[in-house]
Amino acid sequence: KAGVTQTPRYLIKTRGQQVTLSCSPISGHRSVSWYQQTPGQGLQFLFEYFSETQRNKGNFPGRFSGRQFSNSRSEMNVSTLELGDSALYLCASSLLAGSSNEQFFGPGTRLTVL
Amino acid sequence: QKEVEQNSGPLSVPEGAIASLNCTYSDRGSQSFFWYRQYSGKSPELIMFIYSNGDKEDGRFTAQLNKASQYVSLLIRDSQPSDSATYLCAVNNYFGNEKLTFGTGTRLTIIP
Repeated sequence: KAGVTQTPRYLIKTRGQQVTLSCSPISGHRSVSWYQQTPGQGLQFLFEYFSETQRNKGNFPGRFSGRQFSNSRSEMNVSTLELGDSALYLCASSLLAGSSNEQFFGPGTRLTVL
Repeated sequence: QKEVEQNSGPLSVPEGAIASLNCTYSDRGSQSFFWYRQYSGKSPELIMFIYSNGDKEDGRFTAQLNKASQYVSLLIRDSQPSDSATYLCAVNNYFGNEKLTFGTGTRLTIIP
């Protein structure tokens, strides 16, 4: 069974631009969660989508948004990029919704904001 | 107080010895506990999960949970150089909204 895939793997943007990241979950998994990982803050929860609905959201500004499609693929968007948005963005898929379930991570998208 | 706390390390353990990784959490309502391994430059990989008090063994790995003490640990027996990685403890958390909260990780180095 194929794992979680994320595209693109690397991105370089400049301040003020916007970016869209994509995540395809493991086949059959309906929940997709997004995380930001930085050396200083570690892994921080952004949001979770299940059946095209956002179930939960972490403590990030409104510049961070996401959506999920009917095939469970998810995208996240960051608008008006800031230098501090430079991070590894990880998505994780799980069979069911909720944080009690095992989550499997994709390889991540490394975003650099200049 | 952080929601999930881990000693950042580095923790150095001789090859063949037992590595012990510890994690404490603040949400008494947490029900699910996960250990992830993350190699440098890679994404986290799930290695163990535990839901009930006590021990759970899987090969060389043993997860231990004590809900009364809000403490979860991971033991790695017969440590190998390939076990050198950062180990992340994750706890499901209901404060505010339901989410999986990660500790900042313990960097483990196995010395040949």
